[in-house]
Amino acid sequence: DAGVIQSPRHEVTEMGQEVTLRCKPISGHDYLFWYRQTMMRGLELLIYFNNNVPIDDSGMPEDRFSAKMPNASFSTLKIQPSEPRDSAVYFCASSLSPGRAKSSYNEQFFGPGTRLTVL
Amino acid sequence: AQSVSQHNHHVILSEAASLELGCNYSYGGTVNLFWYVQYPGQHLQLLLKYFSGDPLVKGIKGFEAEFIKSKFSFNLRKPSVQWSDTAEYFCAVSPDQTGANNLFFGTGTRLTVIP
Repeated sequence: DAGVIQSPRHEVTEMGQEVTLRCKPISGHDYLFWYRQTMMRGLELLIYFNNNVPIDDSGMPEDRFSAKMPNASFSTLKIQPSEPRDSAVYFCASSLSPGRAKSSYNEQFFGPGTRLTVL
Repeated sequence: AQSVSQHNHHVILSEAASLELGCNYSYGGTVNLFWYVQYPGQHLQLLLKYFSGDPLVKGIKGFEAEFIKSKFSFNLRKPSVQWSDTAEYFCAVSPDQTGANNLFFGTGTRLTVIP
């Protein structure tokens, strides 16, 4: 398996522009998570999906952020308009649901991340 | 709300020194506990995990962690570190609830091992 795939790996954009980050989870995984990592705040959960349905988006910082999962193999995180304070590394992760694993929780597998710089 | 505390922000050790990174969490119910590692420029990888049973958990690359329920702690240890252990280490907690599959991460501890 190729693991979790994210694109682009690096994105540099100007303030005010729309940014779209993409994620392909591991095939068969039914949970997908979006995280943001910054020096100041560490690793923050932004939103997660179960079977393509958003379950908890309380971590999404503002209305400028939106995430979709149109099917089981693709998710996007969009920032519109982008601001310099959005600069961070954005990680996507996926996992199996607890009911499908022997243990009550299953490991989250992380993608390589997208390093976003907003000028 | 659940929280995870990693009190050591940056640890610097010489090769062969012993390592212990602290992790405390605040959650009253049953939890699942994890340590993830992030090598420079790479994504997070699972180092070890605890669900139940023996509170002393062994992971990859000689790491282990001990769950002490009374102290709400899950400290990471390694008897002898190597230069290649230089990385950032994240403790994470997941409440053991049906249908819940999300992780709460600590802020991370940066480990620098000097050859």
